[in-house]
Parts: sequence; structure tokens; C-alpha cells
Amino acid sequence: TQLLEQSPQFLSIQEGENLTVYCNSSSVFSSLQWYRQEPGEGPVLLVTVVTGGEVKKLKRLTFQFGDARKDSSLHITAAQPGDTGLYLCAGARTDKLIFGTGTRLQVFP
Amino acid sequence: NAGVMQNPRHLVRRRGQEARLRCSPMKGHSHVYWYRQLPEEGLKFMVYLQKENIIDESGMPKERFSAEFPKEGPSILRIQQVVRGDSAAYFCASSPQTGLGDYGYTFGSGTRLTVV
Repeated sequence: TQLLEQSPQFLSIQEGENLTVYCNSSSVFSSLQWYRQEPGEGPVLLVTVVTGGEVKKLKRLTFQFGDARKDSSLHITAAQPGDTGLYLCAGARTDKLIFGTGTRLQVFP
Repeated sequence: NAGVMQNPRHLVRRRGQEARLRCSPMKGHSHVYWYRQLPEEGLKFMVYLQKENIIDESGMPKERFSAEFPKEGPSILRIQQVVRGDSAAYFCASSPQTGLGDYGYTFGSGTRLTVV
């Protein structure tokens, strides 16, 4: 059973476009994190959201935690080729993180 | 380099051999987590350890897999009698304390195991 579903699974866009990635669950998490992973490397933490309804901005990236703390979204404005990678959401559950299914983003110049 | 160090980066084993994967956490981190990632998939939790203790091994197969985090030295993930289905990237992460909260994990670069 996959607790965290991400959509879309794959996304190919042109440089300058905007995009939104969704992370959905039927379970409540104490916090939710977003990671980005490049080929051959481990995931790198982008942000942690803790409070329901919380919005955090990281340059062109905007992260939102759902009011019920079951879902989250990542919005990228004016995507650049450097944004290419695998984006993973992860929910905190007691002593570990549960990772989502992942969204592979490719941004073409 | 104060990051999480994993070695080897790549490991090739024949079916039936043993694989040993090592992880040195970040300085000051006493919590270690092992995850497995199959191609084009997310990360699946395997085991969570603190020094000399296994806290949660609910994601680790009961047979052939074991993990340890001794008082001195790195954490070791050991896979005995490897099979082709064990081929994957194995990531180690560390954190300064439990109850993740705002801390998140710091991941190593992973060990890519190929069983031939």
C-alpha cells in the first residue's frame, strides 16, 4: 500500500513554463518534506512544512501543506533546465519518513 | 567533508555472495536510516538504528538482511546470499535526533548494488 501518491509521475516542459506537483495521502502526517534527487545522487532536502495550511517559498519554488496535513503541493515558477530531477515528497510517521512515488521533471531549454 | 559517507558507491556481486554496505553518519548524528530505491521508484524504508540499537526494522526482509550500528565505526547493511532482485540503490541517511520534525534527513550518495 502506497501511502503517498504523487502526480504527475512524469513531466516534460519548456524553460519558462510553470508547473505544480501534487502529493496526496489519506493519512495525516506530523510534517511533510520535499526532496530533489539527481541521477546518481541521494535526495537533497528542499523544505519541511509542519503546520496545516503552511506555505513556504524557496526562490521560484512554493510549497504548501494541506489544511488537514494529508497533502502538499510544489509549484515551480518559470522553470529552468537546472530544475530537472526527481522530486519526492515524504511524510513523517513516528520514527521514519514515508516517501512518495516521485515526480520526474525534465525542463528543456 | 561532514556529509553522510557511503561506500562503496558501486558494488557488483554474483548470486549467492554477500554484500556489505557501509554508512558513516554526519558528525554529531546518532540516528541512521537505510532506504532502498528501485529504478524509477521512490525510496522504501528498511531500518532505523541508533548506536548499538535497532529501533525499527519493519521494512527489512526477515531473511538474508541484517543491519548494525556499533558503538565505534560505521553502520553496516549486510545482505547474505544475494539474488538478482536485491539489485537496487541503497541509501543511508542520518539525523541529529528522533521525532524528525523540522530536521529532515541528510542522505549519502548511495551504494548501487548489481547482482549478476
